[in-house]
Amino acid sequence: QVQLVESGGGVVQPEKSLRLSCATSGFRFSTYAMHWVRQAPGKGLEWLAAIWYDGGYQYYADSVKGRFTISRDNPKNTLHLQMDSLRVDDTAMYFCARANCSGHCYSGTLDIWGQGTMVTVSS
Amino acid sequence: EIVMTQSPATLSVSPGERVTLSCRASQNVNSNLVWYQQKPGQAPRLLIYDTSTTATGVPARFSGRGSGTEFTLTISSLQSEDFAVYYCQSFNNWPWLTFGGGTKVEIK
Repeated sequence: QVQLVESGGGVVQPEKSLRLSCATSGFRFSTYAMHWVRQAPGKGLEWLAAIWYDGGYQYYADSVKGRFTISRDNPKNTLHLQMDSLRVDDTAMYFCARANCSGHCYSGTLDIWGQGTMVTVSS
Repeated sequence: EIVMTQSPATLSVSPGERVTLSCRASQNVNSNLVWYQQKPGQAPRLLIYDTSTTATGVPARFSGRGSGTEFTLTISSLQSEDFAVYYCQSFNNWPWLTFGGGTKVEIK
């Protein structure tokens, strides 16, 4: 069974850091590009970052570029999001998601999503 | 930057009705258009990709069409489990993904 499970969320003060993880199972993680998407309370979905299947390339939304870092540990089937210099408006549910094709795949379709981990930035 | 605009923001519908949701892109996204369904407290669920391809396990009452800048998601006969928020998303400039603001389908 294909599964993504996020962890690492919590309450953090502005300007602090937090590291999210996304543990995966049921598929060959090392062959899929992965993404992070967030959703502020009561709001829509916002794409944040993507990483190539081998970790060779990373891409970021302007809103998080320079503050967030996406990475992956393929032997451990885990995706990470390092979030630094957090701001109040980073408060959201953070989802990891899988692209729907493997290898050299340029699909922006996200076919598997985790249940999310909540991050609250507040003083 | 591509902007995706969904309309209407909210749709009040009775079970059994046919529903059409609209999504407009600010520039040509070809057929790179995806639809997701999200219920309260849940992650988004993939419904349609490449404008009109139904994802695995999605009921046949869901269909998508369009091209370029105008797209629609149709639910042929709304069931009780279809009341949710629907998001469109484009990826014409891979891997930067852009989501629409969503359309909430609620019970009339």
